Amino acid sequence: GNSVTQMEGPVTLSEEAFLTINCTYTATGYPSLFWYVQYPGEGLQLLLKATKADDKGSNKGFEATYRKETTSFHLEKGSVQVSDSAVYFCALSVDTGGFKTIFGAGTRLFVKA
Amino acid sequence: GAGVSQSPRYKVAKRGQDVALRCDPISGHVSLFWYQQALGQGPEFLTYFQNEAQLDKSGLPSDRFFAERPEGSVSTLKIQRTQQEDSAVYLCASSFGQGNEQYFGPGTRLTVT
Repeated sequence: GNSVTQMEGPVTLSEEAFLTINCTYTATGYPSLFWYVQYPGEGLQLLLKATKADDKGSNKGFEATYRKETTSFHLEKGSVQVSDSAVYFCALSVDTGGFKTIFGAGTRLFVKA
Repeated sequence: GAGVSQSPRYKVAKRGQDVALRCDPISGHVSLFWYQQALGQGPEFLTYFQNEAQLDKSGLPSDRFFAERPEGSVSTLKIQRTQQEDSAVYLCASSFGQGNEQYFGPGTRLTVT
């Protein structure tokens, strides 16, 4: 079946630290991969995406590379800010005759000043 | 422009009551999705519409759950004879088409007492 596994949180970092949130997936076919972010008190929003192997998605200083050989899509940022504190969800989408999106459980990030 | 809106934002129901949750997608968005998000978990796919056609309802947990989108715009998720395990946030998302970015609403928090 299709599933997403991401590292458990919470992750607590100091401002300007390097961030990695691991995400691995299992999927039939060729999924598209996403990171969504949920800031406190706000709805889910797309952070970045990649639609095929070796694609790199990037936005707001965050990056993730679609690695088919390791079935991974790890999220990275070189220097986090307090405003990056949020819950991050890794997700995949497969065409099953419809278009189903499968989410990971989420990783909460706290960034301290 | 206006984003995805959902109503009510909060709903408390006694066990056994029926509830109806409404989603107003972004105008012109063909695809509409419903998700259920339990506390501390990622969203779980419930069902997907393309215009008025319900193409995938594989995520609906029981026959007490029913969704419709009769005119291809507003959608309603109905839960009959609510149970405590139905307590969750119900998220609606819409997109321009298959494979495009999904825009999420703020969710309806359902509490069944």
